[in-house]
Amino acid sequence: RKEVEQDPGPFNVPEGATVAFNCTYSNSASQSFFWYRQDCRKEPKLLMSVYSSGNEDGRFTAQLNRASQYISLLIRDSKLSDSATYLCVVNRKTSYDKVIFGPGTSLSVIP
Amino acid sequence: DTEVTQTPKHLVMGMTNKKSLKCEQHMGHRAMYWYKQKAKKPPELMFVYSYEKLSINESVPSRFSPECPNSSLLNLHLHALQPEDSALYLCASSQSGTGRQYFGPGTRLTVL
Repeated sequence: RKEVEQDPGPFNVPEGATVAFNCTYSNSASQSFFWYRQDCRKEPKLLMSVYSSGNEDGRFTAQLNRASQYISLLIRDSKLSDSATYLCVVNRKTSYDKVIFGPGTSLSVIP
Repeated sequence: DTEVTQTPKHLVMGMTNKKSLKCEQHMGHRAMYWYKQKAKKPPELMFVYSYEKLSINESVPSRFSPECPNSSLLNLHLHALQPEDSALYLCASSQSGTGRQYFGPGTRLTVL
Protein backbone atom coordinates (compact mmCIF):
# COMPACT_ATOMS: atom_id res chain seq x y z
CA ARG A 1 0.00 0.00 0.00
CA LYS A 2 1.33 3.46 -0.91
CA GLU A 3 1.99 5.85 1.95
CA VAL A 4 -0.18 8.55 0.33
CA GLU A 5 -3.15 7.65 -1.84
CA GLN A 6 -5.50 9.82 -3.86
CA ASP A 7 -8.62 9.43 -5.98
CA PRO A 8 -7.40 7.91 -9.24
CA GLY A 9 -9.20 10.36 -11.54
CA PRO A 10 -9.28 11.85 -14.05
CA PHE A 11 -12.04 14.24 -13.09
CA ASN A 12 -13.84 15.95 -15.98
CA VAL A 13 -16.23 18.63 -14.75
CA PRO A 14 -18.13 21.53 -16.34
CA GLU A 15 -17.25 25.12 -15.56
CA GLY A 16 -18.91 26.27 -12.37
CA ALA A 17 -19.03 22.82 -10.81
CA THR A 18 -17.82 21.96 -7.34
CA VAL A 19 -15.22 19.22 -7.21
CA ALA A 20 -13.76 17.41 -4.22
CA PHE A 21 -10.44 15.58 -4.03
CA ASN A 22 -9.69 13.01 -1.37
CA CYS A 23 -6.37 11.84 0.00
CA THR A 24 -5.38 9.37 2.70
CA TYR A 25 -2.02 8.78 4.34
CA SER A 26 -0.85 5.75 6.27
CA ASN A 27 1.89 7.04 8.57
CA SER A 28 0.47 8.58 11.73
CA ALA A 29 3.81 10.33 12.36
CA SER A 30 3.12 12.64 9.43
CA GLN A 31 3.36 16.24 10.56
CA SER A 32 2.45 18.65 7.80
CA PHE A 33 0.21 18.45 4.81
CA PHE A 34 -0.13 20.27 1.54
CA TRP A 35 -1.95 20.42 -1.76
CA TYR A 36 0.18 21.26 -4.79
CA ARG A 37 -1.02 21.79 -8.33
CA GLN A 38 1.02 20.87 -11.35
CA ASP A 39 0.28 22.13 -14.82
CA CYS A 40 1.32 20.06 -17.80
CA ARG A 41 5.11 20.10 -18.27
CA LYS A 42 5.58 22.54 -15.37
CA GLU A 43 6.85 22.22 -11.83
CA PRO A 44 4.56 21.56 -8.85
CA LYS A 45 3.42 24.74 -7.11
CA LEU A 46 2.02 25.02 -3.61
CA LEU A 47 -1.73 25.53 -3.62
CA MET A 48 -2.44 25.34 0.10
CA SER A 49 -1.11 24.10 3.37
CA VAL A 50 -3.69 21.99 5.21
CA TYR A 51 -4.58 22.32 8.88
CA SER A 52 -6.88 20.44 11.24
CA SER A 53 -8.95 23.56 11.71
CA GLY A 54 -9.55 23.72 7.98
CA ASN A 55 -8.50 26.57 5.79
CA GLU A 56 -9.98 28.45 2.90
CA ASP A 57 -8.46 30.51 0.15
CA GLY A 58 -11.06 31.98 -2.14
CA ARG A 59 -12.75 29.12 -3.97
CA PHE A 60 -10.48 26.52 -2.38
CA THR A 61 -11.08 24.81 0.97
CA ALA A 62 -8.74 22.24 2.50
CA GLN A 63 -9.40 20.03 5.49
CA LEU A 64 -7.35 17.61 7.55
CA ASN A 65 -8.72 14.85 9.76
CA ARG A 66 -5.79 13.45 11.75
CA ALA A 67 -7.87 10.73 13.40
CA SER A 68 -8.94 9.34 10.02
CA GLN A 69 -5.64 10.27 8.33
CA TYR A 70 -7.62 11.94 5.61
CA ILE A 71 -7.09 15.17 3.67
CA SER A 72 -9.53 16.86 1.33
CA LEU A 73 -9.57 19.70 -1.16
CA LEU A 74 -12.77 21.33 -2.34
CA ILE A 75 -12.87 23.61 -5.37
CA ARG A 76 -16.02 25.66 -5.81
CA ASP A 77 -17.14 27.38 -9.03
CA SER A 78 -14.50 25.61 -11.15
CA LYS A 79 -12.69 27.67 -13.79
CA LEU A 80 -11.02 26.48 -16.95
CA SER A 81 -7.73 27.59 -15.39
CA ASP A 82 -8.19 25.06 -12.57
CA SER A 83 -7.39 22.27 -15.04
CA ALA A 84 -4.22 20.65 -13.68
CA THR A 85 -3.00 17.69 -11.67
CA TYR A 86 -3.53 18.04 -7.92
CA LEU A 87 -0.91 16.42 -5.71
CA CYS A 88 -1.51 15.58 -2.08
CA VAL A 89 1.78 15.92 -0.18
CA VAL A 90 2.62 14.76 3.32
CA ASN A 91 5.73 15.59 5.33
CA ARG A 92 7.29 13.92 8.33
CA LYS A 93 10.49 14.82 10.00
CA THR A 94 13.21 12.19 10.05
CA SER A 95 16.83 13.21 9.65
CA TYR A 96 15.42 15.51 7.00
CA ASP A 97 11.99 16.64 5.84
CA LYS A 98 10.69 13.45 4.27
CA VAL A 99 8.16 14.63 1.73
CA ILE A 100 5.86 12.03 0.21
CA PHE A 101 3.82 12.76 -2.86
CA GLY A 102 0.52 11.14 -3.68
CA PRO A 103 0.09 9.90 -7.24
CA GLY A 104 -1.95 12.98 -8.18
CA THR A 105 -5.46 13.45 -9.51
CA SER A 106 -5.99 15.05 -12.90
CA LEU A 107 -8.75 17.65 -13.27
CA SER A 108 -10.12 18.90 -16.57
CA VAL A 109 -12.66 21.72 -16.41
CA ILE A 110 -14.74 21.75 -19.57
CA PRO A 111 -16.46 24.82 -21.07
CA ASP B 1 13.24 36.23 -3.50
CA THR B 2 11.20 33.02 -3.36
CA GLU B 3 12.56 31.55 -6.54
CA VAL B 4 14.49 28.42 -7.35
CA THR B 5 16.24 28.60 -10.71
CA GLN B 6 17.42 25.70 -12.83
CA THR B 7 19.57 25.54 -15.93
CA PRO B 8 19.35 24.44 -18.63
CA LYS B 9 15.61 24.27 -19.34
CA HIS B 10 16.09 21.56 -21.93
CA LEU B 11 18.96 19.16 -22.51
CA VAL B 12 19.50 16.54 -25.17
CA MET B 13 22.46 14.26 -24.69
CA GLY B 14 23.89 11.07 -26.04
CA MET B 15 24.62 8.05 -23.90
CA THR B 16 28.35 8.77 -23.85
CA ASN B 17 28.08 12.46 -22.96
CA LYS B 18 28.85 14.14 -19.66
CA LYS B 19 26.61 17.04 -18.68
CA SER B 20 25.55 18.88 -15.54
CA LEU B 21 22.28 20.30 -14.28
CA LYS B 22 22.39 23.36 -12.05
CA CYS B 23 20.05 24.65 -9.37
CA GLU B 24 20.23 27.83 -7.32
CA GLN B 25 18.19 29.38 -4.50
CA HIS B 26 18.73 32.49 -2.39
CA MET B 27 16.08 31.94 0.25
CA GLY B 28 18.54 30.74 2.87
CA HIS B 29 17.09 27.24 2.77
CA ARG B 30 19.45 24.60 4.09
CA ALA B 31 17.73 21.60 2.53
CA MET B 32 17.90 20.99 -1.20
CA TYR B 33 16.48 18.13 -3.23
CA TRP B 34 16.74 16.50 -6.63
CA TYR B 35 13.64 14.77 -8.03
CA LYS B 36 13.02 12.87 -11.23
CA GLN B 37 9.57 12.99 -12.77
CA LYS B 38 8.24 10.83 -15.59
CA ALA B 39 5.05 11.69 -17.47
CA LYS B 40 1.83 11.22 -15.50
CA LYS B 41 3.73 10.25 -12.35
CA PRO B 42 4.51 12.23 -9.20
CA PRO B 43 8.05 13.46 -8.54
CA GLU B 44 10.37 10.72 -7.34
CA LEU B 45 13.02 11.69 -4.80
CA MET B 46 16.64 11.11 -5.83
CA PHE B 47 18.88 13.01 -3.39
CA VAL B 48 18.59 15.24 -0.33
CA TYR B 49 21.24 17.67 0.86
CA SER B 50 20.94 19.07 4.36
CA TYR B 51 23.37 21.77 5.41
CA GLU B 52 25.43 21.01 2.29
CA LYS B 53 25.87 17.35 3.22
CA LEU B 54 24.30 14.49 1.33
CA SER B 55 21.64 13.11 3.65
CA ILE B 56 19.74 10.79 1.40
CA ASN B 57 20.53 8.88 -1.78
CA GLU B 58 17.42 6.96 -2.78
CA SER B 59 19.38 4.13 -4.42
CA VAL B 60 20.10 6.24 -7.46
CA PRO B 61 22.50 4.73 -10.05
CA SER B 62 26.04 6.08 -9.93
CA ARG B 63 25.65 7.62 -13.40
CA PHE B 64 23.91 10.43 -11.45
CA SER B 65 26.30 12.30 -9.17
CA PRO B 66 25.07 15.17 -7.00
CA GLU B 67 27.19 17.99 -5.68
CA CYS B 68 26.45 20.87 -3.32
CA PRO B 69 29.24 23.46 -3.67
CA ASN B 70 27.62 25.86 -1.18
CA SER B 71 24.33 26.51 0.58
CA SER B 72 22.78 28.16 -2.50
CA LEU B 73 23.88 25.81 -5.26
CA LEU B 74 23.10 22.24 -6.17
CA ASN B 75 24.44 20.38 -9.19
CA LEU B 76 23.60 17.05 -10.73
CA HIS B 77 26.37 15.56 -12.86
CA LEU B 78 25.26 13.14 -15.55
CA HIS B 79 27.42 10.53 -17.26
CA ALA B 80 26.67 7.53 -19.43
CA LEU B 81 22.91 7.90 -19.10
CA GLN B 82 20.37 5.55 -20.61
CA PRO B 83 17.33 6.47 -22.72
CA GLU B 84 15.08 5.51 -19.79
CA ASP B 85 16.67 8.36 -17.80
CA SER B 86 14.81 10.82 -20.02
CA ALA B 87 12.53 12.77 -17.69
CA LEU B 88 11.90 16.13 -16.04
CA TYR B 89 14.51 16.76 -13.33
CA LEU B 90 13.26 19.03 -10.59
CA CYS B 91 15.24 20.79 -7.92
CA ALA B 92 13.56 21.94 -4.72
CA SER B 93 14.54 23.65 -1.51
CA SER B 94 12.91 23.97 1.87
CA GLN B 95 13.35 25.57 5.23
CA SER B 96 14.12 22.69 7.53
CA GLY B 97 11.14 21.48 9.54
CA THR B 98 8.37 23.08 7.50
CA GLY B 99 7.93 20.44 4.81
CA ARG B 100 6.98 23.15 2.36
CA GLN B 101 9.09 22.80 -0.75
CA TYR B 102 9.83 25.38 -3.40
CA PHE B 103 10.41 23.89 -6.81
CA GLY B 104 12.46 25.11 -9.72
CA PRO B 105 11.00 24.97 -13.23
CA GLY B 106 12.91 21.79 -14.01
CA THR B 107 15.24 20.57 -16.72
CA ARG B 108 13.65 18.42 -19.39
CA LEU B 109 16.26 15.83 -20.27
CA THR B 110 16.25 13.64 -23.35
CA VAL B 111 18.83 10.88 -23.67
CA LEU B 112 19.32 9.58 -27.18
